Amino acid sequence: EAGVAQSPRYKIIEKRQSVAFWCNPISGHATLYWYQQILGQGPKLLIQFQNNGVVDDSQLPKDRFSAERLKGVDSTLKIQPAKLEDSAVYLCASSPIRTNTGELFFGEGSRLTVL
Amino acid sequence: KNEVEQSPQNLTAQEGEFITINCSYSVGISALHWLQQHPGGGIVSLFMLSSGKKKHGRLIATINIQEKHSSLHITASHPRDSAVYICAVRDNYGQNFVFGPGTRLSVLP
Repeated sequence: EAGVAQSPRYKIIEKRQSVAFWCNPISGHATLYWYQQILGQGPKLLIQFQNNGVVDDSQLPKDRFSAERLKGVDSTLKIQPAKLEDSAVYLCASSPIRTNTGELFFGEGSRLTVL
Repeated sequence: KNEVEQSPQNLTAQEGEFITINCSYSVGISALHWLQQHPGGGIVSLFMLSSGKKKHGRLIATINIQEKHSSLHITASHPRDSAVYICAVRDNYGQNFVFGPGTRLSVLP
């Protein structure tokens, strides 16, 4: 079974530039999460999708971050314009069904460095 | 106070030692996950627990729901076990995960 795919693995940009990350979850997984992980900290939820609808985006800095999952499958996360403090690993995860016992599967992450 | 806390923050052990990492949480949960993250790599799920104890190879995870505490044990540790171990809890509604800060383990040969 293919895992959660993310790209790019690494990205270096200057502040005020824009960047986009892509995630393709495991086939059939209805729930998709984007997390931000700053060095030395645990992942922080940015946004959660259930199929193509947003379940929770309360911690997404909406002035600069946006995310979509148009067909309920793959998803993109965009940052525009980037700030220095956005340097982090952006993790995509998916979960099979909307139950309280579903496992969570992570991608390899996209490491962003903002100079 | 963080909802999920882990101890120790950093741990260095000699190869072969028995290792324990602790997780305590303050919210109601439906499940607790132990995750492993290697440097530069993604996160791998090791265990998902809602009660009792699970074992997989040299890894053992336990949870005490009443005390809101879980432990991850590694027997006969090996340098390849060096990684960050993260405790994550799934809330009672089953939708949201809250992550601990992680425990950085280094096993020396």
